[in-house]
Amino acid sequence: GENVEQHPSTLSVQEGDSAVIKCTYSDSASNYFPWYKQELGKRPQLIIDIRSNVGEKKDQRIAVTLNKTAKHFSLHITETQPEDSAVYFCAALQRGKLQFGAGTQVVVTP
Amino acid sequence: GAGVSQSPSNKVTEKGKDVELRCDPISGHTALYWYRQSLGQGLEFLIYFQGNSAPDKSGLPSDRFSAERTGGSVSTLTIQRTQQEDSAVYLCASSLIRWDQGTEAFFGQGTRLTVV
Repeated sequence: GENVEQHPSTLSVQEGDSAVIKCTYSDSASNYFPWYKQELGKRPQLIIDIRSNVGEKKDQRIAVTLNKTAKHFSLHITETQPEDSAVYFCAALQRGKLQFGAGTQVVVTP
Repeated sequence: GAGVSQSPSNKVTEKGKDVELRCDPISGHTALYWYRQSLGQGLEFLIYFQGNSAPDKSGLPSDRFSAERTGGSVSTLTIQRTQQEDSAVYLCASSLIRWDQGTEAFFGQGTRLTVV
């Protein structure tokens, strides 16, 4: 199969708390895992990505972890701010095809 | 340089009519993707072009949908005999992605299709 499963579908956090979004993939040949943020009415934009030869990557308040054995990867946002409110999509590159998860609506409340 | 450009931005069409959606990828990007996003939903894969290889059409929902990419650059997504359920935002993305390595895929602003 070529599915990318993403959980949760919605996530509400208090400003300053952390948010975690988890994804699993089915194709063990997948080797590239980007995360996109889509604000209301706008196009998806890359926020961070990780390749299969790396277990963790961090960029300021966001980090991504990858467990190739379990075929899952996660996005971590620390010290959340209202501007982090958006829909987040994980994706996996599966034999050339970029397959997306269903998205997580993150709402950061002040 | 310019990013991924899609036209038109909005399209309203009558049920049963054919529509053509256009995507101009970033120059030099060998991979081009079409996705469909219904209101509040995720990114549904439609079709993928990579260089001169045969496209991956596995996501096209019916034979009313087709796409081509001329000269390895501009792509056109055609929907024949449109139905109301075709109403969605159609997003195009391009990348230097190859099957064995990934790089950032850049999205266009999308075409909002409304079938009335």
